[in-house]
Amino acid sequence: SQKIEQNSEALNIQEGKTATLTCNYTNYSPAYLQWYRQDPGRGPVFLLLIRENEKEKRKERLKVTFDTTLKQSLFHITASQPADSATYLCAPSRDMRFGAGTRLTVKP
Amino acid sequence: DVKVTQSSRYLVKRTGEKVFLECVQDMDHENMFWYRQDPGLGLRLIYFSYDVKMKEKGDIPEGYSVSREKKERFSLILESASTNQTSMYLCASTPSSGGVGKNSPLHFGNGTRLTVT
Repeated sequence: SQKIEQNSEALNIQEGKTATLTCNYTNYSPAYLQWYRQDPGRGPVFLLLIRENEKEKRKERLKVTFDTTLKQSLFHITASQPADSATYLCAPSRDMRFGAGTRLTVKP
Repeated sequence: DVKVTQSSRYLVKRTGEKVFLECVQDMDHENMFWYRQDPGLGLRLIYFSYDVKMKEKGDIPEGYSVSREKKERFSLILESASTNQTSMYLCASTPSSGGVGKNSPLHFGNGTRLTVT
C-alpha cells in the first residue's frame, strides 16, 4: 500500500541552525511533491512544489530536494528563526495525500 | 487571495445527530477536498470532488457523505455522529481543471474542530 513517512514527529533546533526535515514515500511514483506549513489552529499553507525532473528548488531560506531513486524529499530551512516553528507537511502525489507532518520548534 | 471559508471554527454535537460542515471557496476552483486531522495520524482524505455533483471517496469515507450542488460549496455530512468522529476537519480547493492530477497547490480553510459527546 502507499505510504508517506516524515522522519520524526518533532524536531527541536537552535535559532540560526539549519533544520532538515525528511519525507519518504513508498508505492508512489509522484510527478511532483509539495511542502506545506501549518500553524496551530490554522489550515496548512503551501510553501513549495518540486517536480520529478528537478533535483533542487529554493525559495528564500527554504530549499527542497527530490530524489526519485531514493523516494525521498529533504526540506531545509537555513538560518532558522523562532518564527519558523510550525508543523511541516509533505504531499508526494497527484492525489493530495499527506504525511503526518513534523513539528519543528526553533529555540532562541 | 484565494479564500476558503469553513462555516464554523468550533462545533459540539451529540452522538447520533446529523451534522453538516460547510465549505465555500471564492475562486471558481473545480476541485474540493475534505480531510480530517488527528494527532499522530496527520491529514486523512475523506472525500473529494472535481466538479459539481461529482464526488470520489478518499481513504476514510465510512460514516461520511458529501454534497456539491454548486461549484463554490462543498458540504461534509455526518449522517449519525459518533464520538470517534471528534476531530479537526479541513476543507481545501485547487484551481486545476480536468480533475485531480495537475500540480496546483491546495488552498485550505482554517478548519472546524468538531466534538461529539
